Amino acid sequence: GQSLEQPSEVTAVEGAIVQINCTYQTSGFYGLSWYQQHDGGAPTFLSYNALDGLEETGRFSSFLSRSDSYGYLLLQELQMKDSASYFCAVRVNFNKFYFGSGTKLNVKP
Amino acid sequence: DAGVIQSPRHEVTEMGQEVTLRCKPISGHNSLFWYRQTMMRGLELLIYFNNNVPIDDSGMPEDRFSAKMPNASFSTLKIQPSEPRDSAVYFCASSLAGGVYQEQYFGPGTRLTVT
Repeated sequence: GQSLEQPSEVTAVEGAIVQINCTYQTSGFYGLSWYQQHDGGAPTFLSYNALDGLEETGRFSSFLSRSDSYGYLLLQELQMKDSASYFCAVRVNFNKFYFGSGTKLNVKP
Repeated sequence: DAGVIQSPRHEVTEMGQEVTLRCKPISGHNSLFWYRQTMMRGLELLIYFNNNVPIDDSGMPEDRFSAKMPNASFSTLKIQPSEPRDSAVYFCASSLAGGVYQEQYFGPGTRLTVT
């Protein structure tokens, strides 16, 4: 089966940097995605890593280490609007995704 | 593009009734996913289709749930009979299989309450 672990909640202040970790156990691994979901909203895509290393998209970066079955999402220059839940998701068997339980990020002024 | 369209946005029904949720994926996308989200179980994949064909329905909780995709622009998720434990937000998502990022576009969801 598949399992993903990420912290349930993280708190940080505006302007700071926060890292949300995700460890996974799975077979048929293709890649790791990250999604953001605001309360009452739908998940929206942030990033996808298929290969080891760091992918940067504006204030957000995502990292993957396939050998360690580990990835993280890095959010820089935090803004109040970044308060949301963040999900890692593993892609397996070409087109199937399993989502983690989500990390609730609280950004404080 | 209008994005993924789901209807209804909210559904309240009584236990035992049939519920049908509808989804229109983004034009040109060839993969469609149905998810269920609850506080207890998180975001669960129920079933997904590639080119209108069901590929994996191992997440469908039981025979009361069924999904169809009669054409590339429409899919339904049916629950018959519904039970209170089916109360959840149901999301439909679509993507372009084979794309570099495998980005899934989620619809706004249907909030289902079964009393």
